Amino acid sequence: QLQLQESGPGVVKPSETLSLICNVSGGSISSSTYYWGWIRQPPGKGLEWIATIYQTGRASYNPSLESRVTVSVDTTKNQVSLKLTSVTAADTALYYCVRRRVAAALGWFDSWGQGTPVTVSS
Amino acid sequence: EIVLTQSPGTLSLSPGERATLSCRASQTVSSRYLAWYQQKPGQAPRLLIYGASSRATGIPERFAGSGSETDFTLTISRLEPEDFAVYHCQQYGGSPWTFGQGTRVEIK
Repeated sequence: QLQLQESGPGVVKPSETLSLICNVSGGSISSSTYYWGWIRQPPGKGLEWIATIYQTGRASYNPSLESRVTVSVDTTKNQVSLKLTSVTAADTALYYCVRRRVAAALGWFDSWGQGTPVTVSS
Repeated sequence: EIVLTQSPGTLSLSPGERATLSCRASQTVSSRYLAWYQQKPGQAPRLLIYGASSRATGIPERFAGSGSETDFTLTISRLEPEDFAVYHCQQYGGSPWTFGQGTRVEIK
């Protein structure tokens, strides 16, 4: 059974870089069928897609965050990583690791981690 | 970017009642590429509906999705106690993939 497990620092200071890791078990990051990615949810608010990445390293980003975000995959460790630079209080959120199929017609997010909370605070 | 607007923000209903949730898109969602998710407190969202009207595996028949182009609806025919939650719509017809702000279904 697929499991996505996020991990991160919990608290990040303003202007610093947030780094998160998603460990994938029960499935392979190297699958040709799926994208892997990140979605976040600020407290009491809706969901925001951040980025997705394919096994080859080809990534897609939300234009609203693209200048500050980098996602990467490590196929040897079966991990997906997220880096978000120059964080502010607006980046305080629950960050989810997610999976979606490559085929556009199947492009919903079918697996989610439990999420890791990130607070931006000095 | 396709903006999704969900209404109402909160729906107060009793168990056994019918819930009707709306998701309106700022432009046509191609090929009805719209999904609905259910989210309970402290949990990740769970896929309910994809392709605007297809139920995901294991989802009860009381959940039904409908609509096309810019207007979509999620209907819960008879609310069960476990259905009180937040519901999100999401379009995957074009990047950036976007979500509505959510509708909370609460016990009246």
